[in-house]
Amino acid sequence: EVQLVQSGAEVKKPGESLRISCKGSGYSFTSYWISWVRQMPGKGLEWMGRIDPSDSYTNYSPSFQGHVTISADKSISTAYLQWSSLKASDTAMYYCAREARYGSGSSSHYGMDVWGQGTTVTVSS
Amino acid sequence: DIQMTQSPSSLSASVGDRVTITCRASQSISSYLNWYQQKPGKAPKLLIYAASSLQSGVPSRFSGSGSGTDFTLTISSLQPEDFATYYCQQSYSTFTFGPGTKVDIK
Repeated sequence: EVQLVQSGAEVKKPGESLRISCKGSGYSFTSYWISWVRQMPGKGLEWMGRIDPSDSYTNYSPSFQGHVTISADKSISTAYLQWSSLKASDTAMYYCAREARYGSGSSSHYGMDVWGQGTTVTVSS
Repeated sequence: DIQMTQSPSSLSASVGDRVTITCRASQSISSYLNWYQQKPGKAPKLLIYAASSLQSGVPSRFSGSGSGTDFTLTISSLQPEDFATYYCQQSYSTFTFGPGTKVDIK
């Protein structure tokens, strides 16, 4: 079974650092990009950024560039999302998702076909 | 950045109704448009990719259309399990989600 399994819920204080994880199984981890998506309480989905696990190349949304770091360890099929100094506004559910490629060449389409179960991050003093 | 809008932001419908949700991009994105369904407390689920292609395992009552800047998601006959929030997403230039449309029971 293809799945992404995320690490458990976190409760942190402002200013603390954090790394959450997303472990892929049932498929070739290096063949698919992984995206991270934020959902603040009661709000919509926001794309944060993505990583190619084969070479750790990353893209970030301008809204999140410089605020988070996305990384991956292909030897253990795991992607990470990390913060160096959390803020209360980072309180949210965070999802990782696999990017499936449909078609080939320059006209390929990408969609997020497999999602992790989500990791709740609560930042409060 | 490409911005996405959706209308309506919410709607009330009955089982068996035909439901249409509209998504608009701030610039032409060809057919680089996906649709997702999200139920409370659950991760999103991909329904439609490339504007009109049905993801494997998704019921045929879901369909998508459009190209350029204007797109629609149609549910031909609303079922009880379809009450959820629906998001469009452009994949033309990285990704951007629309704000969502909540479909609830009339």
